[in-house]
Amino acid sequence: EAGVAQSPRYKIIEKRQSVAFWCNPISGHATLYWYQQILGQGPKLLIQFQNNGVVDDSQLPKDRFSAERLKGVDSTLKIQPAKLEDSAVYLCASSLAVQGTYEQYFGPGTRLTVT
Amino acid sequence: AQSVTQPDIHITVSEGASLELRCNYSYGATPYLFWYVQSPGQGLQLLLKYFSGDTLVQGIKGFEAEFKRSQSSFNLRKPSVHWSDAAEYFCAVGYTGGGNKLTFGTGTQLKVEL
Repeated sequence: EAGVAQSPRYKIIEKRQSVAFWCNPISGHATLYWYQQILGQGPKLLIQFQNNGVVDDSQLPKDRFSAERLKGVDSTLKIQPAKLEDSAVYLCASSLAVQGTYEQYFGPGTRLTVT
Repeated sequence: AQSVTQPDIHITVSEGASLELRCNYSYGATPYLFWYVQSPGQGLQLLLKYFSGDTLVQGIKGFEAEFKRSQSSFNLRKPSVHWSDAAEYFCAVGYTGGGNKLTFGTGTQLKVEL
């Protein structure tokens, strides 16, 4: 079974530029998550999708971050404009469903450096 | 709101020695508890999970963890560490009705000396 795919793996941009990350979850997984992991910290949930609908985006900085999952499969996370403090690893995860004790499977992440 | 504390930022053990990584959580109801491992440049891999039932759970790679409700702890253990176990370990908590959302601790970096 193929795992969660993410691209690119690394990205370096200057502040105020825009950037987009792509995630393809495990086939059949209805729920998709985007996490931000700042160096020295644990992952922090940014947004959670159930199919193509948003379940929770309470911690997404909506003035600069946006995410979509239009067809309920792959997803894109965008930052515009980027700030220095956005430097982090962005992890995508997926699980079978929202309710219940479904474990989350993580992709390799995208390491973003904002200079 | 639930929280997770991993009091040890760095731990160094010798290969073959035993290991215990601490995790304490704060939440009123019965939590769901997880341990993940992250190697450099990699995503998080699930080591083990506790949902209910037997409080001692076995995971992959020879790891186990014990849920102690009275201490609000879920410590990870391994009887004999291998050099390949060097990585960062994260404890995470979810809860019933939480929509499968996880709260992670800040992680413990494990170094293994040969």
